[in-house]
Amino acid sequence: GESVGLHLPTLSVQEGDNSIINCAYSNSASDYFIWYKQESGKGPQFIIDIRSNMDKRQGQRVTVLLNKTVKHLSLQIAATQPGDSAVYFCAESYGGYQKVTFGIGTKLQVIP
Amino acid sequence: DTAVSQTPKYLVTQMGNDKSIKCEQNLGHDTMYWYKQDSKKFLKIMFSYNNKELIINETVPNRFSPKSPDKAHLNLHINSLELGDSAVYFCASSQGGGGIAQHFGDGTRLSIL
Repeated sequence: GESVGLHLPTLSVQEGDNSIINCAYSNSASDYFIWYKQESGKGPQFIIDIRSNMDKRQGQRVTVLLNKTVKHLSLQIAATQPGDSAVYFCAESYGGYQKVTFGIGTKLQVIP
Repeated sequence: DTAVSQTPKYLVTQMGNDKSIKCEQNLGHDTMYWYKQDSKKFLKIMFSYNNKELIINETVPNRFSPKSPDKAHLNLHINSLELGDSAVYFCASSQGGGGIAQHFGDGTRLSIL
């Protein structure tokens, strides 16, 4: 399944299916992007990052795709598991600043 | 071992009171942050310190005052609490800045009565 939108959307996927979570970022000068996962009652947890000189990066069961032309970022989760249920945030930053701007999250619900 | 720990986890208080939230990280990071997360899950940076020096100070009322006694600690003091301050406050740390991956605490849920 896929999700788009700027308000906290909910994406429901069947266990075992692939998930795609989308994010539109705002600053064309951003050069570093991060995906975070936030479980209920916990703080955000780093999943994967990508720099602007790349368009794809793979981790364990996760892939991040970056399209700078349309300022779009996506997180693909392969073989989604119940433990993947959480709110997912994309974040962007630029230059040498510490400021990170978070996007509006997407809630992923995995149906067993 | 908890990498970034915040206390208290829950804070319920009356409007007008002054309260503090403490944060400690044992990762040896040089940069620490405070974020506010509202009821719609929107996460916004408030402050950032690098080696005890204030780097980022977003448009935050001056009722909020961060204090960093050393690079492992960043506390947040809030004066004259208002209803709109109700939120979850997260502390985070990273080694270096530039938005590099941050480690977050589990948050302090502040409720103003």
